[in-house]
Amino acid sequence: AQTVTQSQPEMSVQEAETVTLSCTYDTSENNYYLFWYKQPPSRQMILVIRQEAYKQQNATENRFSVNFQKAAKSFSLKISDSQLGDTAMYFCAFIQQETSGSRLTFGEGTQLTVNP
Amino acid sequence: DSGVTQTPKHLITATGQRVTLRCSPRSGDLSVYWYQQSLDQGLQFLIQYYNGEERAKGNILERFSAQQFPDLHSELNLSSLELGDSALYFCASSVEPGLAGLYNEQFFGPGTRLTVL
Repeated sequence: AQTVTQSQPEMSVQEAETVTLSCTYDTSENNYYLFWYKQPPSRQMILVIRQEAYKQQNATENRFSVNFQKAAKSFSLKISDSQLGDTAMYFCAFIQQETSGSRLTFGEGTQLTVNP
Repeated sequence: DSGVTQTPKHLITATGQRVTLRCSPRSGDLSVYWYQQSLDQGLQFLIQYYNGEERAKGNILERFSAQQFPDLHSELNLSSLELGDSALYFCASSVEPGLAGLYNEQFFGPGTRLTVL
């Protein structure tokens, strides 16, 4: 079974600084996708960034980038120039297309607080 | 706005009761997923439907059931409710390509907050 682990329950960062959230996962498969979702106080789940396992290049989306280490099964999220609006719970998630369907497996989440 | 709608937004009910949560997927999406977010269990996958048929099942209790209708909307039925069923229930939808290597983004609805008293 696939598992996703986020070892940092809470983190804080000063506005305009950089923060890195950690995620590790476990799978025996070779083809899969990894995601970071953001859940602000509104509770809406918002996709921040995705990474295809077959791509060696790390994904970037504006201030958000990932460090994908496939052999180590590590998928960290770096937020540059942190903004107050980045305050949210961040979930790392894994998906694998199975013959019987597909499902997201989530980590426990990291509560990020950006301080002014 | 993801394009996925869920009703109701909030639901308060008593133990032993039955409720129905409704989800309308994004236009063109054939697959619907249900997830439960609770304080003690985190975000858990419950069940997936694709074009009206059950496709995958996760940690869904026997007291819970779901279906997807011909117009592709889905309903999650929760019966014999217990205090521990209080949670935020998300519906998500995606295009299910069925082809290897294609991207499976799931778009989430705003959720239904269920409180069982």
